[in-house]
Amino acid sequence: AQTVTQSQPEMSVQEAETVTLSCTYDTSESDYYLFWYKQPPSRQMILVIRQEAYKQQNATENRFSVNFQKAAKSFSLKISDSQLGDAAMYFCAYKTSGSRLTFGEGTQLTVNP
Amino acid sequence: KAGVTQTPRYLIKTRGQQVTLSCSPISGHRSVSWYQQTPGQGLQFLFEYFSETQRNKGNFPGRFSGRQFSNSRSEMNVSTLELGDSALYLCASNRGTEKISPLHFGNGTRLTVT
Repeated sequence: AQTVTQSQPEMSVQEAETVTLSCTYDTSESDYYLFWYKQPPSRQMILVIRQEAYKQQNATENRFSVNFQKAAKSFSLKISDSQLGDAAMYFCAYKTSGSRLTFGEGTQLTVNP
Repeated sequence: KAGVTQTPRYLIKTRGQQVTLSCSPISGHRSVSWYQQTPGQGLQFLFEYFSETQRNKGNFPGRFSGRQFSNSRSEMNVSTLELGDSALYLCASNRGTEKISPLHFGNGTRLTVT
């Protein structure tokens, strides 16, 4: 069975600084997809960034980028120039086909002014 | 484009009752999936519907069921409610035909069972 592990239950960062959230996963599949979602207090899960496993190039979306290490099964999220609005619970997620996502436990990110 | 809409936002029910939650996907999305979120178990997949057929199912008892209508709207039903069913129930939609297509989530329904 696929599992996703986020080893940092909580992280904090100063506004304008950079923070990295860790995620590791376990799978025997070769074709899969990885995502980072954020969940603010409004409860809605919002897609932050996605990565296809067959792509070696790390995905980037504005201030958000990933470090995808396929051999190590690691998928960390880097947030640059952190903003107060980045404060949320961040979930790493994995899927193969269909719409079944396997989520990690989440990392609560606090941004300090 | 309107997002995923879940109703109601909050529900309070008593043990033994049943409940129905509703989800309207983004226009054009044919896949709707449901997740349960609790502090203890995290986010767990319940099931996925695509074109009115259940395409995938998680590890939940038969008390949890769902269906999808021809307009892609979906309902989830929980019968004989237990205290442990108290959770945030999230619905998500996507086109369902592309592997990389991300899920778009609604705001969830907070169910409290007393």
